[in-house]
Amino acid sequence: GIQVEQSPPDLILQEGANSTLRCNFSDSVNNLQWFHQNPWGQLINLFYIPSGTKQNGRLSATTVATERYSLLYISSSQTTDSGVYFCANGGSQGNLIFGKGTKLSVKP
Amino acid sequence: GAGVSQSPSNKVTEKGKDVELRCDPISGHTALYWYRQSLGQGLEFLIYFQGNSAPDKSGLPSDRFSAERTGGSVSTLTIQRTQQEDSAVYLCASSQTINQETQYFGPGTRLLVL
Repeated sequence: GIQVEQSPPDLILQEGANSTLRCNFSDSVNNLQWFHQNPWGQLINLFYIPSGTKQNGRLSATTVATERYSLLYISSSQTTDSGVYFCANGGSQGNLIFGKGTKLSVKP
Repeated sequence: GAGVSQSPSNKVTEKGKDVELRCDPISGHTALYWYRQSLGQGLEFLIYFQGNSAPDKSGLPSDRFSAERTGGSVSTLTIQRTQQEDSAVYLCASSQTINQETQYFGPGTRLLVL
């Protein structure tokens, strides 16, 4: 089946630092999305990015579909960025197949 | 509504009882999805609806699970004879159509089976 691998699994940053999260896919990229799950469990959609680069404030994402990977960049991290970041690729039913996530802790 | 809503937000039940979870998608979204997130596990896809139809129910964990959607809007996920391994957060998402669309998630229902 389709595999979605995320790295690193855990990341601890000092406030103000930058970071890069990576997602690799075993199958073609389709319907790729990045989410942030906050400490209360709410999943927030960050980017819909099957290809190319998008930016939203301090966050940006790049997907290289031909090489089956996507990157999420967080610049000038803040404590409110803490939580789990998931990437997800499209399955055969329009559903999303999620990676195991990167748990980010930003320390003040 | 402004976003996807789910109820109840928390549910504690005894093993063997039936539970019903509700999802109200974003108005106008034709596609609706149910996922489950267990402690320490990733997000597991359960079932999707295109309109009122669920073409493939193979993602449901067992025949104790069922789901329906009426009027192209609200969906209910029913778990009969609950087991402790059913304890999880049940998440609902909706998107405008079934393919190539951003999915928006509700806050989830936290189910604990004692």
